Amino acid sequence: EVQLVQSGAELKKPGESLKISCKASGYYFNDYWIAWVRQMPGKGLEWMGIIYPGDSDTRYSPSFQGQVTISADKSITTAYLQWSSLKAPDTAIYYCARPRDSNIADAFDIWGQGTVVTVSS
Amino acid sequence: DTVMTQSPATLSVSPGERATLSCRASQSVSTTVAWYQQKPGQAPRLLIYGTSTRATGIPARFSGSGSGTEFTLTISSLQSEDFAVYYCQQYNNWPLAFGGGTKVEIK
Repeated sequence: EVQLVQSGAELKKPGESLKISCKASGYYFNDYWIAWVRQMPGKGLEWMGIIYPGDSDTRYSPSFQGQVTISADKSITTAYLQWSSLKAPDTAIYYCARPRDSNIADAFDIWGQGTVVTVSS
Repeated sequence: DTVMTQSPATLSVSPGERATLSCRASQSVSTTVAWYQQKPGQAPRLLIYGTSTRATGIPARFSGSGSGTEFTLTISSLQSEDFAVYYCQQYNNWPLAFGGGTKVEIK
């Protein structure tokens, strides 16, 4: 079964760093892009960026460029989303997602369960 | 950047009735549009891709149409499990973009 399993909920203070994970299984990790999507409380879905684990090619949405870092570790089939200094507006649910086909330009049919990140002093 | 605009924001429909959701792109995205359903506390689920192809396991009451800049998701006869929020998404241009969502609620 193709699956993306994300790390657990996080409660952090402003200014702290954080790295959340997305563990892939059931398919060849290197061949499919993985994207990250933000959903702020009560709001819609926003694309943050995407990574191709095969060669670590990474693209960021302009809104998130410089604000987060996306990475992947092929040896443990895991993608990451990290912040160096969190802010209260980073409070959201973060999803990882995989496209239907091994193509950056495709719909996303596999989703992680989401990681709730709360940033509060 | 391509902006996706959905309407209406909220749609009140009685069970068994038809629901028609609209999505407009700020520039042509050919037929590279997907629709997702999201229920409270759950991750989005892919319903439709390529404007009109149902994803695996999606019932036939869900259908998609359109091209260029105007797209529609139709639910032919609403079931209780269909009350949710629906998002369109374009994957023709980078950055990929979602619409703001349409909440389908019970009338």
